[in-house]
Amino acid sequence: KQEVTQIPAALSVPEGENLVLNCSFTDSAIYNLQWFRQDPGKGLTSLLLIQSSQREQTSGRLNASLDKSSGRSTLYIAASQPGDSATYLCAAYSGAGSYQLTFGKGTKLSVIP
Amino acid sequence: GAVVSQHPSWVICKSGTSVKIECRSLDFQATTMFWYRQFPKQSLMLMATSNEGSKATYEQGVEKDKFLINHASLTLSTLTVTSAHPEDSSFYICSARDLHGIEAFFGQGTRLTVV
Repeated sequence: KQEVTQIPAALSVPEGENLVLNCSFTDSAIYNLQWFRQDPGKGLTSLLLIQSSQREQTSGRLNASLDKSSGRSTLYIAASQPGDSATYLCAAYSGAGSYQLTFGKGTKLSVIP
Repeated sequence: GAVVSQHPSWVICKSGTSVKIECRSLDFQATTMFWYRQFPKQSLMLMATSNEGSKATYEQGVEKDKFLINHASLTLSTLTVTSAHPEDSSFYICSARDLHGIEAFFGQGTRLTVV
């Protein structure tokens, strides 16, 4: 059974800093991996999806990497802003053609002005 | 990307009553939808897989008679929490897959509070 772990559980940084959020998964036979943002009391906003054949994806100030062999993914946020404050969730797709996701508990990010 | 609409976004109900949550795929057909639940400070956990035209598949520990799922069309799945109790208070969110896409799309979620 796939397990997804996110470290750290919470992170507080001053505005402008670059930061890295970590995600690890136990079953390297994942299909895709996706990073989401969740604001308090809200639903999920998809940030980046990395397909199993890819090693990274970039969108604006965000860059996500995937290393299946080591069971790890990272989300890099450049030049953090207060508006980036949210909980970031990492989720692994179970297998080819499956759209069932296993989520980590998330990293709660606070960017201090 | 594809749009999944979930309704209501929040609901408060009395203990013992039933609540229905709708999940619609607005611009694509979804043969499979998923229902997740998130308790405070916890991860989203899969409750069940909803299959159009057939019975849902429930995860271990989820009571199928309490959480009724109906997926009668290719664009609509409903989750009914029957005889709700305060411990059912949670954030419920659905997702759907586009047959021609590579990712699952999520609804906005429903915050259920049972008093």
